[in-house]
Amino acid sequence: DAGVIQSPRHEVTEMGQEVTLRCKPISGHDYLFWYRQTMMRGLELLIYFNNNVPIDDSGMPEDRFSAKMPNASFSTLKIQPSEPRDSAVYFCASSLVPGGEQFFGPGTRLTVL
Amino acid sequence: EDKVVQSPLSLVVHEGDTVTLNCSYEVTNFRSLLWYKQEKKAPTFLFMLTSSGIEKKSGRLSSILDKKELFSILNITATQTGDSAVYLCAVGGGGTSYGKLTFGQGTILTVHP
Repeated sequence: DAGVIQSPRHEVTEMGQEVTLRCKPISGHDYLFWYRQTMMRGLELLIYFNNNVPIDDSGMPEDRFSAKMPNASFSTLKIQPSEPRDSAVYFCASSLVPGGEQFFGPGTRLTVL
Repeated sequence: EDKVVQSPLSLVVHEGDTVTLNCSYEVTNFRSLLWYKQEKKAPTFLFMLTSSGIEKKSGRLSSILDKKELFSILNITATQTGDSAVYLCAVGGGGTSYGKLTFGQGTILTVHP
């Protein structure tokens, strides 16, 4: 298996633009997680899905952030409109069992100017 | 709310030294504790612990869990410059935390030659 796949790897955009981050989990993994990592706040869980259903989105910072999982092999995290404080590395991870090992994708480094 | 606290926040040692990293936690219905290593990329899995007192070992790294005192330690013996990284501790719980991991803020380890 190729592991968790994320795209793009780097994104530079201007304030106010829409940003869409993409993730393909490991096949057969029922749990998918979106994290944000910054120096100041560390690794924060934004939202996670089980069997394509959002379970906990309490970490989503505000209404500008939304996430979808239309099928078992694809998820998106959208920021609209983006702001400079959204600059961070966004990781997607998947796991087979609850509370078990999470496999992380390579991350998307987002810079909002 | 689940909580994971790691100490120290940063550590600087010389090659050959032995280090001990600490992780204490508060979680509803503990399921698992995991250690990850993060270099300048995505976190990579080291250990998962579920039972008290049973040491997990991989080469120069070892870890143990104390579910009574709610903490875990990660030991690295004969450190090498390649051990320089951020070490993350995470716990999986039940109840409203079922399915997800709560991460600590990490310990930054720097190993000088």
